[in-house]
Amino acid sequence: SQQGEEDPQALSIQEGENATMNCSYKTSINNLQWYRQNSGRGLVHLILIRSNEREKHSGRLRVTLDTSKKSSSLLITASRAADTASYFCATDARSSNTGKLIFGQGTTLQVKP
Amino acid sequence: DTAVSQTPKYLVTQMGNDKSIKCEQNLGHDTMYWYKQDSKKFLKIMFSYNNKELIINETVPNRFSPKSPDKAHLNLHINSLELGDSAVYFCASSPKPTGTYEQYFGPGTRLTVT
Repeated sequence: SQQGEEDPQALSIQEGENATMNCSYKTSINNLQWYRQNSGRGLVHLILIRSNEREKHSGRLRVTLDTSKKSSSLLITASRAADTASYFCATDARSSNTGKLIFGQGTTLQVKP
Repeated sequence: DTAVSQTPKYLVTQMGNDKSIKCEQNLGHDTMYWYKQDSKKFLKIMFSYNNKELIINETVPNRFSPKSPDKAHLNLHINSLELGDSAVYFCASSPKPTGTYEQYFGPGTRLTVT
């Protein structure tokens, strides 16, 4: 069954505002990753957070992980028009030993200039 | 230099035809993947190879056959194409077959079956 579900499915904000996207998953995980996909392009890795970590930062990105709630959030601060893209979470299930990632359906973010 | 490349970028073909998509990575990674992304952007793993050995084989019609001639290449051959095969197919690679590594994606191949 699909592991990750994302919320909201679509988000539209003004440049300079913050954007928060949420991801929920069903089974225990080793790691959770966030990816960005620009229209018509491949996915690009943003950040990886391990199951024993609660928060991670990378530039304007902040990811949190709550394993008790089986959820993660991605915060993009001071958004820019160039942040317009789809954002996906992907989980590496603890039961897997192949590195299989299961992707959520993504949040489509539009940042208006 | 492109890290993960796929050819062709677009593929339009008729039902019943056989087609192949090629993927190459120049990152020296051991592991390569094929994903299918449908029209709703849902991305699903199809296959994974580690050092030319098949390690992930999801529930995919046997019309789909991956081949890895060496660890830098992973091709996808599709027989008897059906309308439902229309999607974007992504190749990806990672250093090792664990979720502790990020995956590097190719630009995708948009397959349209008419």
